[in-house]
Amino acid sequence: DIVMTQTPSSQAVSAGEKVTMSCKSSQSLLYSENKKNYLAWYQQKPGQSPKLLISWASTRESGVPDRFIGSGSGTDFTLTISSVQAEDLAVYYCEQYYDTPLTFGSGTKLEIK
Amino acid sequence: QVQLEESGPGLMQPSETLSLTCTVSGFSLTSNGVGWVRQPLGKGLVWMGTIWAGGSTNYNSAVQSRLSISRDTSKSQVFLKMNSLQPEDTGTYYCARHARTGLFAYWGQGTLVTVSS
Repeated sequence: DIVMTQTPSSQAVSAGEKVTMSCKSSQSLLYSENKKNYLAWYQQKPGQSPKLLISWASTRESGVPDRFIGSGSGTDFTLTISSVQAEDLAVYYCEQYYDTPLTFGSGTKLEIK
Repeated sequence: QVQLEESGPGLMQPSETLSLTCTVSGFSLTSNGVGWVRQPLGKGLVWMGTIWAGGSTNYNSAVQSRLSISRDTSKSQVFLKMNSLQPEDTGTYYCARHARTGLFAYWGQGTLVTVSS
């Protein structure tokens, strides 16, 4: 199974600050035939179901603000929020869809100071 | 628009069999796979299994011996059945539509299942 490790487990920032969170996979998620990384990021706000933010490691879904930036390749990935807003309070999960079993990281909880 | 809605009993006894239904709209089950994801209270997301557009299934090995996922395409419904429930099966169960890959593009609102005597 591909193990997904997210750090930090929680982070507190002030509105307007930049925040980065990491997701590392135990094996490469880069598929050589199409040069795509099979890595997604989800946002789960309190009391809500998860929402897909980013696919293919760096492609924002329609309607996702451009302050959310996904980057990385292979085994190391990062989600950056360039200027955190109060509504970004949530837990952020990465998921690998390179292979089954599909696996998620344990999440990074973003708190707003 | 794409919608998924889970339904099922909220409270189960240990050793019972859980049956959940995911009713979908806005897409065809023969075009997109639907997976089930469990979230224990206050914890992270765990993929349980998927029924793909072609009808094949994949399961998480941790629950494979207890889990079955099926569908009725005419009713736009996907079913989860899991036997020999234990308290550690307590959590919110989500059904979610896959994109053409294994990522989850749309999620239901989830249904809380509590296993307790």
